[in-house]
Amino acid sequence: NSKVIQTPRYLVKGQGQKAKMRCIPEKGHPVVFWYQQNKNNEFKFLINFQNQEVLQQIDMTEKRFSAECPSNSPCSLEIQSSEAGDSALYLCASSPGAGGRQNTLYFGAGTRLSVL
Amino acid sequence: GDSVTQTEGLVTLTKGLPVMLNCTYQTTYSPFLFWYVQHLNEAPKLLLKSSTDNKRTEHQGFYATLHKSSSSFHLQKSSVQLSDSALYFCALGTGGYKVVFGSGTRLLVSP
Repeated sequence: NSKVIQTPRYLVKGQGQKAKMRCIPEKGHPVVFWYQQNKNNEFKFLINFQNQEVLQQIDMTEKRFSAECPSNSPCSLEIQSSEAGDSALYLCASSPGAGGRQNTLYFGAGTRLSVL
Repeated sequence: GDSVTQTEGLVTLTKGLPVMLNCTYQTTYSPFLFWYVQHLNEAPKLLLKSSTDNKRTEHQGFYATLHKSSSSFHLQKSSVQLSDSALYFCALGTGGYKVVFGSGTRLLVSP
């Protein structure tokens, strides 16, 4: 079973509403990722953190999405004003960090967002 | 930029037959490749990974060999089981810990 805990499992919002999801990374993993998996099962990278600092994020994330990974609290991803196109499975993953590109990602089961 | 291509969206097979799922990549870095498997309503998890050219990597009956000359990392199994039905993603480690995923291949194994 995954040691990355994501809540809630399901989230239903109306267009224009805020949507917030949380992730507790695996203990000892300083690197955290958020991916969006669409209905075609394609992964879209959103943002990643290392020890609370943003490493990389895409343009979409900068505009309507906000994310943080405070110390001693769950990480979170929030969509300020949900759109129908945001309906997807949001996957959080964590990584040990050491070793750079060879790091294995450990995924949570995801939050499935439906925007009506 | 860095990318991963999986050519098959869906592969359907009868139990006991061999399978090969294709994966090719493009990168400016020295390649580090992964295969992840995602069963229905479960978290994706690592199946195997490699950065060593021409060396076969195996796990749970699946195997893959990184070929830098052809930029490929195909996933194979000699005899599929019903429990192998899942989504399979090839992925590439890039800069800043970012991992780029292929579009995925759904494997359906029938009795």
